[in-house]
Amino acid sequence: AQSVAQPEDQVNVAEGNPLTVKCTYSVSGNPYLFWYVQYPNRGLQFLLKYITGDNLVKGSYGFEAEFNKSQTSFHLKKPSALVSDSALYFCAVSPYNTDKLIFGTGTRLQVFP
Amino acid sequence: DAGVIQSPRHEVTEMGQEVTLRCKPISGHDYLFWYRQTMMRGLELLIYFNNNVPIDDSGMPEDRFSAKMPNASFSTLKIQPSEPRDSAVYFCASTNKTDQGFAFFGQGTRLTVV
Repeated sequence: AQSVAQPEDQVNVAEGNPLTVKCTYSVSGNPYLFWYVQYPNRGLQFLLKYITGDNLVKGSYGFEAEFNKSQTSFHLKKPSALVSDSALYFCAVSPYNTDKLIFGTGTRLQVFP
Repeated sequence: DAGVIQSPRHEVTEMGQEVTLRCKPISGHDYLFWYRQTMMRGLELLIYFNNNVPIDDSGMPEDRFSAKMPNASFSTLKIQPSEPRDSAVYFCASTNKTDQGFAFFGQGTRLTVV
């Protein structure tokens, strides 16, 4: 079955420290991978995507993600967290040759001052 | 463009009543998705359309749920009859084939069935 796993319900980090939000996937073929962010009472906003090429993808607001094919992972990272980064983060996959977007369950990021 | 527009933003209804959620996608987008978000199950894909045609409705939970897209600028998600377990936030999203995965989401409809 095609799926996305975000093993952490919540990640806590101090402002200024690096952050990592984990994501692994299980799909056949070469998927397209995405990160979205959701602020309270808002819809999801696109952060970044991996289609092909360089395994390190840079996105909005200083976020980046690293694609690791052997580990089937696509972890979201940021070198220095801000309090305003606190939100709900979703990893998503679009399996090869489909138009679906399948989301993980989300990870709540809490950045403390 | 004003983005993906959903209405109503909030809906409270009694069990057994019919509920209709509405979505206006971004002009020119040929894909439209309906998602449901709950604490327990996260974000679930219910159904999606391409060029107004339903492509995959395998996520629709049961026959009480139905979705239509009569034209490129409008879609509805209907629940009849509604049940308390249908309480959730329902999101509509749209995108182009060329921007696969880069979906624009509406602000959602928070449905409460009492």
